[in-house]
Amino acid sequence: QKEVEQNSGPLSVPEGAIASLNCTYSDRGSQSFFWYRQYSGKSPELIMSIYSNGDKEDGRFTAQLNKASQYVSLLIRDSQPSDSATYLCAVNWGGTSYGKLTFGQGTILTVHP
Amino acid sequence: NAGVTQTPKFQVLKTGQSMTLQCAQDMNHNSMYWYRQDPGMGLRLIYYSASEGTTDKGEVPNGYNVSRLNKREFSLRLESAAPSQTSVYFCASRGGTGELFFGEGSRLTVL
Repeated sequence: QKEVEQNSGPLSVPEGAIASLNCTYSDRGSQSFFWYRQYSGKSPELIMSIYSNGDKEDGRFTAQLNKASQYVSLLIRDSQPSDSATYLCAVNWGGTSYGKLTFGQGTILTVHP
Repeated sequence: NAGVTQTPKFQVLKTGQSMTLQCAQDMNHNSMYWYRQDPGMGLRLIYYSASEGTTDKGEVPNGYNVSRLNKREFSLRLESAAPSQTSVYFCASRGGTGELFFGEGSRLTVL
């Protein structure tokens, strides 16, 4: 079983809609979770980090974490064409903020006008 | 402030050749990472170094070696390159918040 799994996509949403990106992970001891955005040909950049169960909001982005279900998601409200990118979920193994950090395979999001 | 610097940015090798990818960070971070990225595969961890003097295997370490030369530098070596190692390689360092800071990537083609 892959350590971090994302919904395969690609995901296509109209401008202004909510995009929902999902991720599951296998390590019950994981404490740190991250969402990265990667534009084509560029390096990944951090969008959100989340460490506690529940929701965390930052502008149009909301990360949701459910450790019991080993599930983390990212919602993008009022999606814009500039949000079109690959979104990568990353999970830190164990209870530290360093150490092994593994990524899912990514979900390609396209926002069409 | 350069952040994370990788060299070279592009490289073409023949099967069986060796090469070293260099990575340096100027953010005084303890942890450094090497990932490879292939289409549809996301980022796969090759090796990481949680602190100076330590290295650990990631998901796909076979065919690679690493050296944490000092706190700033973490190199990745391919001893005998294979076509399966054609990929984009990213080096990253990690700050106290857990965030990864990536280099611009190194595109390697093995013929």
